[in-house]
Amino acid sequence: DAKTTQPNSMESNEEEPVHLPCNHSTISGTDYIHWYRQLPSQGPEYVIHGLTSNVNNRMASLAIAEDRKSSTLILHRATLRDAAVYYCILRAPLYGAGGTSYGKLTFGQGTILTVHP
Amino acid sequence: DSGVTQTPKHLITATGQRVTLRCSPRSGDLSVYWYQQSLDQGLQFLIQYYNGEERAKGNILERFSAQQFPDLHSELNLSSLELGDSALYFCASSPMGGRDSPLHFGNGTRLTVT
Repeated sequence: DAKTTQPNSMESNEEEPVHLPCNHSTISGTDYIHWYRQLPSQGPEYVIHGLTSNVNNRMASLAIAEDRKSSTLILHRATLRDAAVYYCILRAPLYGAGGTSYGKLTFGQGTILTVHP
Repeated sequence: DSGVTQTPKHLITATGQRVTLRCSPRSGDLSVYWYQQSLDQGLQFLIQYYNGEERAKGNILERFSAQQFPDLHSELNLSSLELGDSALYFCASSPMGGRDSPLHFGNGTRLTVT
């Protein structure tokens, strides 16, 4: 699996934007970039994913570099509820008899985001 | 609520024992994944099933086994338990079927081996 590199921790103030970086220089052309987060005592939660183009959803935006070797998760206005560990993950395709599908997520250490009131 | 149900929420047992963790995926999801999270190892992928068949295997110990049943629920069996098996065990599900889709995780089963 291609590897991602994230800062161990970041801090933000409430209601300010947060940019969480991720480097993935060995990404292959078919790998999707996924972001998940894990709040204390809960299972991981899907945030956003993309392949080549920038993506927006109600939770966040994903900005993908043109060469795809890095990406940035953008939380537009951080709230205290956004304090969590954020994981940037590359998801590779699985080729099988049933056609192409996407398999496991390999989690790294993630970035611990602290949000100050 | 992710729609993925894991039971039991907590399990306390002794070394050498065997336990079964159960997972009901979201309605319509065909694929189930099992992960282990301990303090020193982070989230480790164990195994993935798709429509009853094993699709991918991670660092799952030989003492551990899993299966996915025709109604798509899955069970993770842990035997000859050791103190080091104490961890949070998460199940996740996804639709699969030829295009990418996110995983939805349950809230886990906390296993304590004494």
